[in-house]
Amino acid sequence: TQLLEQSPQFLSIQEGENLTVYCNSSSVFSSLQWYRQEPGEGPVLLVTVVTGGEVKKLKRLTFQFGDARKDSSLHITAAQPGDTGLYLCAGGKSNQFYFGTGTSLTVIP
Amino acid sequence: DADVTQTPRNRITKTGKRIMLECSQTKGHDRMYWYRQDPGLGLRLIYYSFDVKDINKGEISDGYSVSRQAQAKFSLSLESAIPNQTALYFCATSDYSGTSIGELFFGEGSRLTVL
Repeated sequence: TQLLEQSPQFLSIQEGENLTVYCNSSSVFSSLQWYRQEPGEGPVLLVTVVTGGEVKKLKRLTFQFGDARKDSSLHITAAQPGDTGLYLCAGGKSNQFYFGTGTSLTVIP
Repeated sequence: DADVTQTPRNRITKTGKRIMLECSQTKGHDRMYWYRQDPGLGLRLIYYSFDVKDINKGEISDGYSVSRQAQAKFSLSLESAIPNQTALYFCATSDYSGTSIGELFFGEGSRLTVL
């Protein structure tokens, strides 16, 4: 059983559209991270959020940590083909990282 | 050169064979991890080590063993490989500081196919 469930699992959109990816759990985490993975490579960290309700922006990406520290969302504004990849959330708990099920995003030019 | 290096990158083997996946790092981190990635399941933790004398089981350790030969080296073994161990395996290190959970730094992955 996965501690963290992501939705949607697959997302295919046109360049310029907006999208939101969700990461949900019934467990509380001390921190929440988002990673992006491209084919043939390992995941790379995008952001870490540690405070309930925290919002962080990274250019066109906005990350939010839920007030109860059980969920998170990633919003991308005006998606570009370079945003294509697998997005993974990861919750920090008891000195371990628990990964979500992943969202595969394809941005069509 | 990559900071976290995994060998082999690809391996095809048969059921019942012993397989070792090796990981070495030049980041100087104490914490090292082995994850398995399957489509639709994200990454699942197999084993982790916080220093040379520390080994801990993760979520899915059955059928796997590990060895931490040095701070920089952490190997994963499948004593008797079975087809449902076919997956993409990742080694990672962490720069955990005590005040921050840190960041995971991944290798490029080892794709294992068990026939």
